[in-house]
Amino acid sequence: GDSVTQTEGPVTVSESESLIINCTYSATSIAYPNLFWYVRYPGEGLQLLLKVITAGQKGSSRGFEATYNKETTSFHLQKASVQESDSAVYYCALGRSGSWQLIFGSGTQLTVMP
Amino acid sequence: GGIITQTPKFLIGQEGQKLTLKCQQNFNHDTMYWYRQDSGKGLRLIYYSITENDLQKGDLSEGYDASREKKSSFSLTVTSAQKNEMAVFLCASRPRGSQNTLYFGAGTRLSVL
Repeated sequence: GDSVTQTEGPVTVSESESLIINCTYSATSIAYPNLFWYVRYPGEGLQLLLKVITAGQKGSSRGFEATYNKETTSFHLQKASVQESDSAVYYCALGRSGSWQLIFGSGTQLTVMP
Repeated sequence: GGIITQTPKFLIGQEGQKLTLKCQQNFNHDTMYWYRQDSGKGLRLIYYSITENDLQKGDLSEGYDASREKKSSFSLTVTSAQKNEMAVFLCASRPRGSQNTLYFGAGTRLSVL
């Protein structure tokens, strides 16, 4: 079936270090999946961080980047230099274009130490 | 901008009790969702609604009812709370043609004694 697997947390990094949170997907029933990263900051609701709907494209937001790689079925989230304010839970998600549903990964808790 | 309001924020129930969670959105979005999140697991879809009075079952609909009597509100009922159940229920809405960009509420945390 369709699924998303991402880095198990918790992940702890120091401020200004680089970060990668892995996300791989299986889209057996979706011909043209759309890929998303959502984030939940402490005390806030889940919100969209970035999305890419075309294979080979890169999405970016708030210094984070993710490239939709159809060959490796991956959509890893990267940031060159994290800040304490990036501490949050990050969710990778998979959707079918035109569909009503999103499939979420289990979330990765990130803590950035000052 | 708009907001999604979920009530209550915390819900404590007894085993076998019927519990109702409410969600209001002022985005004027057509589609609304209820997801359940258990510790260490991804969000799982319980119900969604494409428009007022529409209901569609997700993968986790067993044990739940939902109601979409107005475009702005979507309620979820746990028909019989399970002992020691603990989860966060997230409501979301989606504007038409948004390529799956969902807007989420802050969640209702359920604990069953």
